Amino acid sequence: DVQLVESGGAVVQPGGSLRLSCAGSGFIPGEYDMHWVRQGPGKGLEWVSLISWDGGKTFYADSVRGRFTVSRDNTKNSLHLQMNSLTTEDTGLYYCAITAVSGYQFDHWGQGTLVTVSS
Amino acid sequence: SYVLTQPPSVSVAPGQTARITCVGDNIVSKSVHWYQQKPGQAPVLVVYDDSDRPSGIPERFSGSNSGNTATLTISRVEAGDEADYYCQVWDSGSDHYVFGTGTKVTVL
Repeated sequence: DVQLVESGGAVVQPGGSLRLSCAGSGFIPGEYDMHWVRQGPGKGLEWVSLISWDGGKTFYADSVRGRFTVSRDNTKNSLHLQMNSLTTEDTGLYYCAITAVSGYQFDHWGQGTLVTVSS
Repeated sequence: SYVLTQPPSVSVAPGQTARITCVGDNIVSKSVHWYQQKPGQAPVLVVYDDSDRPSGIPERFSGSNSGNTATLTISRVEAGDEADYYCQVWDSGSDHYVFGTGTKVTVL
């Protein structure tokens, strides 16, 4: 079975930085693009970032471009998100999710890790 | 940027049919995917590519896409279907993934 387990969430002050990680298992990394999707308190889903199966392409939502950096290590089947210059608007539950390279739907999701930006 | 609009809420009696709309400009030209999210849980894919169901999803869940509106239909609604539902597309113009605003389904 596919498993995605996020970690790294914490309480951080505005302007601070945080690095999230996602450990994957049960699938072949080269067959999936990996994403971060977040959900603010009481809010809907917001796509944050994508990294292609080989790490060669990255895309970001306008709200995080220039502040967040996504990376992956296929030898460890892991995904990371470096978040800098955090604001209160970045508060939320951050999910790791995967899409097959042949499709555009999120086939599997982790349970999320909570990021709280507060002074 | 591409925008997907859903009704905030839909109420339905057990055994009846719930229809959740997702409105976007010429959405028929895109593949639409639907997710169910129960409180405290991660989203689960229930329909992909407009009308296909992943394995394990009941046939009661179906989808369609025409013009500017995609629709998720839940037939013979059960209490366990109470959840938030989100539509989603990939916008080729921006290479961004877009979620709808979300719809809370309440089973009366």
